[in-house]
Amino acid sequence: GAVVSQHPSWVICKSGTSVKIECRSLDFQATTMFWYRQFPKQSLMLMATSNEGSKATYEQGVEKDKFLINHASLTLSTLTVTSAHPEDSSFYICSAPPLGTSGGYSYEQYFGPGTRLTVT
Amino acid sequence: SQKIEQNSEALNIQEGKTATLTCNYTNYSPAYLQWYRQDPGRGPVFLLLIRENEKEKRKERLKVTFDTTLKQSLFHITASQPADSATYLCALGTGANNLFFGTGTRLTVIP
Repeated sequence: GAVVSQHPSWVICKSGTSVKIECRSLDFQATTMFWYRQFPKQSLMLMATSNEGSKATYEQGVEKDKFLINHASLTLSTLTVTSAHPEDSSFYICSAPPLGTSGGYSYEQYFGPGTRLTVT
Repeated sequence: SQKIEQNSEALNIQEGKTATLTCNYTNYSPAYLQWYRQDPGRGPVFLLLIRENEKEKRKERLKVTFDTTLKQSLFHITASQPADSATYLCALGTGANNLFFGTGTRLTVIP
């Protein structure tokens, strides 16, 4: 089945530093990947849509200069949290919908295992 | 405002019984609805998708119904097992791939 990996699985950083999180589709290509954030006991909130070869689309209220997204290839998207602050501590999850066999998009999404970010 | 509500934050059920989870939504017109399972500290795992023109979908011990008039989906796990204990999320899809998630129901199956 479709596998999505994330690296690192957890990271602790000091306030003011930047952290890069990688999302890879291991056995399929993904022209689109999604980045979500999940706070404890809350649901996943879509942050941005990462598009291969073009700019990411950010959801309302998400600062694009703070959460830099790069979708460099059909199997890799990165999220960089710049100048991280304690309130950025969260569980960051990426997902990717593989291209459907019909050539269109399948609607299932395959999620990575998540990255736990703690900013001290 | 738009809302996706899952009936309860937590649900305890005896092993072997059928677990029924509810997802209600307001101010959405979903083209499809999905159910995911999420274990602690892990990403969600896709379970089932049901489209707006479908009433019911089944997969092994899982069954999903979708009533666009009531704006509600029911998710059933029959013959529940302790291994089914997890948080279950419903997600609405309104376009190609945008998903909007409910807050989840934490299911515990008691042996």
